[in-house]
Amino acid sequence: DSGVTQTPKHLITATGQRVTLRCSPRSGDLSVYWYQQSLDQGLQFLIQYYNGEERAKGNILERFSAQQFPDLHSELNLSSLELGDSALYFCASTGQGTRYGYTFGSGTRLTVV
Amino acid sequence: LAKTTQPISMDSYEGQEVNITCSHNNIATNDYITWYQQFPSQGPRFIIQGYKTKVTNEVASLFIPADRKSSTLSLPRVSLSDTAVYYCLVGGSNTGKLIFGQGTTLQVKP
Repeated sequence: DSGVTQTPKHLITATGQRVTLRCSPRSGDLSVYWYQQSLDQGLQFLIQYYNGEERAKGNILERFSAQQFPDLHSELNLSSLELGDSALYFCASTGQGTRYGYTFGSGTRLTVV
Repeated sequence: LAKTTQPISMDSYEGQEVNITCSHNNIATNDYITWYQQFPSQGPRFIIQGYKTKVTNEVASLFIPADRKSSTLSLPRVSLSDTAVYYCLVGGSNTGKLIFGQGTTLQVKP
């Protein structure tokens, strides 16, 4: 157990639907990062939050949004889902920026049918 | 963020030492070098991090030459369970994000 908790582990949904992925960072970590990993794209950085505020944005689609709550857990919202959104979504947290490395969760596998 | 280049794949046999080299010609002064390991359907796992010279922990060593334009991850006496993808990343303490490259797929054979 890495200390970063992601739920659900698996999610199957239909095209056009909306889903929410949840991440609880390691205790004490203020930063949360979301990554998407699909077979043909590798690990793609989506977005970072630090203590409730958006800190950095990567290749995140407009159909996707995220937020970090006062208790530091984060949610990634994916809407108008397409088949190509099927991927593993990882959350990572860190307390000191990248200097000390990220701790990744076990991911949520999203399948859009 | 400095771009990294590493071999796409490597093969080895159990018990051998494996060295994976990563090039990062544009590394900045405040960038650290970090290596991650990823098994299929699992999140990447931090292996080791360094700034210069040599760093060793219980699972690996990291060699960084004086010019810091490359680094080598050394895995001593690999086993089948070391079969994974290994990522080399460079970044500073304030960049706030890590950009993953293609990684090196290490296949350890019996």
